[in-house]
Amino acid sequence: QVQLQESGPGLVKPSQTLSLTCTVSGGSLYSGGYYWSWIRHHPGKGLEWIGYIYPSGSTYYSPSLKSRVTISVDTSKNEFSLKLNSVTAADTAVYYCARETMEAGKSYFDYWGQGTLVTVSS
Amino acid sequence: SYDLTQPPSLSVSPGQTASITCSGDKLGNKYASWYQQKAGQSPVLLIYDDTKRPSGIPERFSGSNSGNTATLTISGTQPMDEADYYCQTWDSRVVFGGGTKLTVL
Repeated sequence: QVQLQESGPGLVKPSQTLSLTCTVSGGSLYSGGYYWSWIRHHPGKGLEWIGYIYPSGSTYYSPSLKSRVTISVDTSKNEFSLKLNSVTAADTAVYYCARETMEAGKSYFDYWGQGTLVTVSS
Repeated sequence: SYDLTQPPSLSVSPGQTASITCSGDKLGNKYASWYQQKAGQSPVLLIYDDTKRPSGIPERFSGSNSGNTATLTISGTQPMDEADYYCQTWDSRVVFGGGTKLTVL
């Protein structure tokens, strides 16, 4: 059973960089050809996809966040990370990491972390 | 950019059928998936590839996708089904619908 666990600071100051890590257990990042994504949920709003990374290191980001996002992977630790720079209060959200299946136009997320609330405030 | 539209809310009585719609341009030509999110919990995959249910998802949850609309149907709705439901597809990026709050009363 694959499990994902987010970790990182729960409070970030405006203009600083939000940094989160997702540790994957119960399976290797390399097995199965999956993509590894970050998704966030603003309070009272819907889900927003941030981007994904493939274990080879290739990435793809949401156009709306592309200029501020970096997703990286550390296969030796079986984890991947999110950096979002120049944050504002609008980046306050619950951040999830998730495993994505993507092939031939199909896309879905079958395993999710428990989520971590990140608040942007001085 | 591609958008998916869901009704913000839906109310059903226990035992009734709930149909949650998700509309997008030529959505039937894409694949849709559905997620259930209960308060304070992570989303759970209910339906993928329009109609498939992951292991462990009850048979009362089913999906369809044709034309411009994907539909999640919950047959014999139970109080435990009260949650937010999101549709999702891929159109050069991952796209989520705005979510539908299902109330069972």
